[in-house]
Amino acid sequence: GAVVSQHPSWVICKSGTSVKIECRSLDFQATTMFWYRQFPKQSLMLMATSNEGSKATYEQGVEKDKFLINHASLTLSTLTVTSAHPEDSSFYICSARDPNHRGVGEQFFGPGTRLTVL
Amino acid sequence: GESVGLHLPTLSVQEGDNSIINCAYSNSASDYFIWYKQESGKGPQFIIDIRSNMDKRQGQRVTVLLNKTVKHLSLQIAATQPGDSAVYFCAETKASGGSYIPTFGRGTSLIVHP
Repeated sequence: GAVVSQHPSWVICKSGTSVKIECRSLDFQATTMFWYRQFPKQSLMLMATSNEGSKATYEQGVEKDKFLINHASLTLSTLTVTSAHPEDSSFYICSARDPNHRGVGEQFFGPGTRLTVL
Repeated sequence: GESVGLHLPTLSVQEGDNSIINCAYSNSASDYFIWYKQESGKGPQFIIDIRSNMDKRQGQRVTVLLNKTVKHLSLQIAATQPGDSAVYFCAETKASGGSYIPTFGRGTSLIVHP
């Protein structure tokens, strides 16, 4: 199946700093990528939908100025957590839909990025 | 047996038993349902999907059943193995602007004892 990678796999930062997380589709072009946040022992919550060449669509309650999303190419989307605070510590997961894949609703997920803000 | 914790229900089974994981979904207009497996510290992995116009679909060792009347989805795993231990999520999707965006259910932690 299609492969989605994330970098870094984990990051520890000080409160007030910004962190950038990359999501890449390795063997397909993804016009749409999705960013999720997952707290321990909880489900995945969709944060935003990232569309190549246009502004991201954020879910209700997600601050667009805090979670900056850039989808500059068909294989790369980035999520920047600006002025991170301890409450932003979470597991961030991206996914991408391969338009050529059999399952029309199937998402391919990245391995996730563990963010810890001290 | 099955227990419901603060956030994540847990299902404990013995190796070789069949497992049934249940999920209630909320949107009667959802047209596509997916089961994912998530191992600790990793992203979700696609297991099987089913369209809303079906009530059963079988894969390798897995079967998904869909009951639209009560908005219930189940995942059956035959001959459960220790490697099946993970958190299982159901997701419902509805077409929106050409994309199908999944909404994830609560998740169930499956623990397989050797």
